[in-house]
Amino acid sequence: DIVMTQTPLSLSVTPGQPASISCKSSQSLLHSDGKTYLHWYLQKPGQSPQFLIYEVSNRFSGVPDRFSGSGSGTDFTLKISRLEAEDVGVYYCMQSIHLPLTFGGGTKVEIK
Amino acid sequence: EVQLVESGGVVVQPGGSLRLSCAASGFTFDDYNMHWVRQAPGKGLEWVSLISWDGISTYHADSVEGRFTISRDNSKNSLYLQMNSLRTEDTALYYCAKDRVRFGEFSYGMDVWGQGTTVTVSS
Repeated sequence: DIVMTQTPLSLSVTPGQPASISCKSSQSLLHSDGKTYLHWYLQKPGQSPQFLIYEVSNRFSGVPDRFSGSGSGTDFTLKISRLEAEDVGVYYCMQSIHLPLTFGGGTKVEIK
Repeated sequence: EVQLVESGGVVVQPGGSLRLSCAASGFTFDDYNMHWVRQAPGKGLEWVSLISWDGISTYHADSVEGRFTISRDNSKNSLYLQMNSLRTEDTALYYCAKDRVRFGEFSYGMDVWGQGTTVTVSS
């Protein structure tokens, strides 16, 4: 199984300041079709997960442009350019190149 | 509005059985692969099962293989999870989720999630 490792476990950020989350996979997520199957989700407190970014860097419909994703191969990063209060919650990366699909352990983002 | 509504979660004894359902609306259900994902209390997300858009292919996590079965009825826009031989470690909030791409060969990310249904396995 592909192991997804997220760091840090938690993050406390002042509103308006940037935040960055790392996600590393135990195997390359680059498919032979040229796409990399690494996705990001946000689970706000008391809510279901919501889709943020697919295939490393593509923002899902309605996701603000302060969210951006980057990376390749086995190393990936989610960045929030200016944290807002509504961005608090737990962020998960997930790979879908191989079954079983696997998630990172999550990074909890709080307001400082 | 695209919507997924899960139901069927209850308290059940170890060794018992349960069937979860997920009612889909607002999209062409039979065009998309579908998933079950669970979240144990206070824990992270765990993928459980995937079924192809046509219902022909199914996949399960090793932790549930041989005990859980995913299925779908495209005529009813419904997804199911038959859960047998339940264990205490199956206690979780179970989410139904839609895959992002139509007629996908595998998974391209889950873009719509239900609100979840709670399964508690306890004596």
